[in-house]
Amino acid sequence: SQKIEQNSEALNIQEGKTATLTCNYTNYSPAYLQWYRQDPGRGPVFLLLIRENEKEKRKERLKVTFDTTLKQSLFHITASQPADSATYLCALGSGNQFYFGTGTSLTVIP
Amino acid sequence: IAGITQAPTSQILAAGRRMTLRCTQDMRHNAMYWYRQDLGLGLRLIHYSNTAGTTGKGEVPDGYSVSRANTDDFPLTLASAVPSQTSVYFCASSPQPGSQETQYFGPGTRLLVL
Repeated sequence: SQKIEQNSEALNIQEGKTATLTCNYTNYSPAYLQWYRQDPGRGPVFLLLIRENEKEKRKERLKVTFDTTLKQSLFHITASQPADSATYLCALGSGNQFYFGTGTSLTVIP
Repeated sequence: IAGITQAPTSQILAAGRRMTLRCTQDMRHNAMYWYRQDLGLGLRLIHYSNTAGTTGKGEVPDGYSVSRANTDDFPLTLASAVPSQTSVYFCASSPQPGSQETQYFGPGTRLLVL
């Protein structure tokens, strides 16, 4: 069965620093990997999608890498702000199935 | 544009009762999904529908049923609720089925089964 692991349940960083979140997966070779943001009491919101043949994808202060050899994706938030505090989820699709990681809770300290 | 709406927002239900969670989208998306989210387990797919008239089983389908009579609505039914079905339920949709598609999530329904 699919297994997706995200690093440490909680990550605390100082404002202005770069946050790096990790997503590792096993038993699968996905063509796409997605990252979502979830705020307390709300549904996830899509942030970025990266394809297997893309090593890196950027959107404003966000950057995602995808290493299919390591079976790992890294999600970076540069110049972090307190408003970036949330839980971040990675997700993989396999046919009609979707698998989400348990998420990493990020707190940006002013 | 509302996107995806879910009802009810929250519910307390006695074990053994039947319950239908409602989900409606106004984006004319073909694909719809139901997930449950539990602490430590993340989001798990219950059922999905690639287009109106079709449905399929996800990772955790037991105890749940769905129907997709039209494009906009995708209700989730618990025929006889059990305490292990206490969870937060999210409905989602995407323009087309497939792992390359962005999923748009509703606000969730918080269900407590006693």
